[in-house]
Amino acid sequence: AQTVTQSQPEMSVQEAETVTLSCTYDTSESDYYLFWYKQPPSRQMILVIRQEAYKQQNATENRFSVNFQKAAKSFSLKISDSQLGDAAMYFCAYRSANHAGNMLTFGGGTRLMVKP
Amino acid sequence: GAVVSQHPSWVICKSGTSVKIECRSLDFQATTMFWYRQFPKQSLMLMATSNEGSKATYEQGVEKDKFLINHASLTLSTLTVTSAHPEDSSFYICSARGGTSGGARADTQYFGPGTRLTVL
Repeated sequence: AQTVTQSQPEMSVQEAETVTLSCTYDTSESDYYLFWYKQPPSRQMILVIRQEAYKQQNATENRFSVNFQKAAKSFSLKISDSQLGDAAMYFCAYRSANHAGNMLTFGGGTRLMVKP
Repeated sequence: GAVVSQHPSWVICKSGTSVKIECRSLDFQATTMFWYRQFPKQSLMLMATSNEGSKATYEQGVEKDKFLINHASLTLSTLTVTSAHPEDSSFYICSARGGTSGGARADTQYFGPGTRLTVL
């Protein structure tokens, strides 16, 4: 079974600075997807970024980028120019490309605080 | 695009009653929807996978007779908490997997805003 680990329960960053959230996963599969979701206080889960394992190029979405290290099974999220609205819980998630159910396996989450 | 709605957003009910929560994909068709439960300050726990036109697949430890799931159309799945008790109080979140139609990216899950259930 796949597992996803987020080793940082809480992180804080100064507004306009850069922060990196860690995520590692364990799998024996070679084809899969990785995601970062954001859950603000409203509790609405918002997709931040996704990465296909077969792509070597790291995904980017505006101020959000990932460092995908397939061999190390690491998938960290970098937030540049942090804004107050970035404060939220961030969940890393794994999804097999082969499993029929295509379920997501979530990490335990990292609470990001942004200081003005 | 890729909007998922849930209704109601908050429900309070008496112990012993049943509560139905609706999950709708508004601008795409979803052959597969998922139901999660989230306790305070914890991650999401998958309860079941709902496939249109077939029976839901429940995760280990989730009572199928307690949490009835119906996925009657490509845009609607419902979760009914039967004979609710205070321990069922939680935040329930649904998600829908994008497919080949609409504004949803294929093989990405889009989440509803969640339903807070409080059982007195």
